[in-house]
Amino acid sequence: GAGVSQSPRYKVAKRGQDVALRCDPISGHVSLFWYQQALGQGPEFLTYFQNEAQLDKSGLPSDRFFAERPEGSVSTLKIQRTQQEDSAVYLCASSLMGGGARWLTGELFFGEGSRLTVL
Amino acid sequence: DQQVKQNSPSLSVQEGRISILNCDYTNSMFDYFLWYKKYPAEGPTFLISISSIKDKNEDGRFTVFLNKSAKHLSLHIVPSQPGDSAVYFCAASASSNSGYALNFGKGTSLLVTP
Repeated sequence: GAGVSQSPRYKVAKRGQDVALRCDPISGHVSLFWYQQALGQGPEFLTYFQNEAQLDKSGLPSDRFFAERPEGSVSTLKIQRTQQEDSAVYLCASSLMGGGARWLTGELFFGEGSRLTVL
Repeated sequence: DQQVKQNSPSLSVQEGRISILNCDYTNSMFDYFLWYKKYPAEGPTFLISISSIKDKNEDGRFTVFLNKSAKHLSLHIVPSQPGDSAVYFCAASASSNSGYALNFGKGTSLLVTP
């Protein structure tokens, strides 16, 4: 498809389980972001990739969160030993240019998100 | 701490009237601002942006105004249409920032009634 694709759309996990969320950005897009959106909140930055390089992971809330983009296209966000406070929608976004938001002069293209519920 | 603030969680406007959505920011290094629109169960979509070298940017029914001295921006939609009903997020970035994040507000839910 032409847009950013995320899977799964919905994930229910038991507390303590590991989860993996996948993002397929728009082909050729250099920048890839992961955001976490809790209920009633705005998206909160988690991490940024420029091609395969993770240039900013300052938003990852704990060492249970890990993201990778090994070939500079598809990215996976992994959450180990999930906790109830991890329940949120995880949004992936991509943009054509590199440099992250510093040089953002146009759109970030967002996926529909993966809604994670931890019981 | 929230660097981008949208203090009105919701707004209701009649069709045909003007909708004004407000956004305040605290970081004086922010120099690029965007508005995103989000429908339920969809990702945010880009609406309009403005650079800090401008004080106004217009695109059809949508106009964004930036007041740098007040660290305030607003999105005007005129005339408002029922299809504009969505959550609107204000976002900001700083080209001088060492990080790469785009900072979002909590959003304002706009309802346009017929």
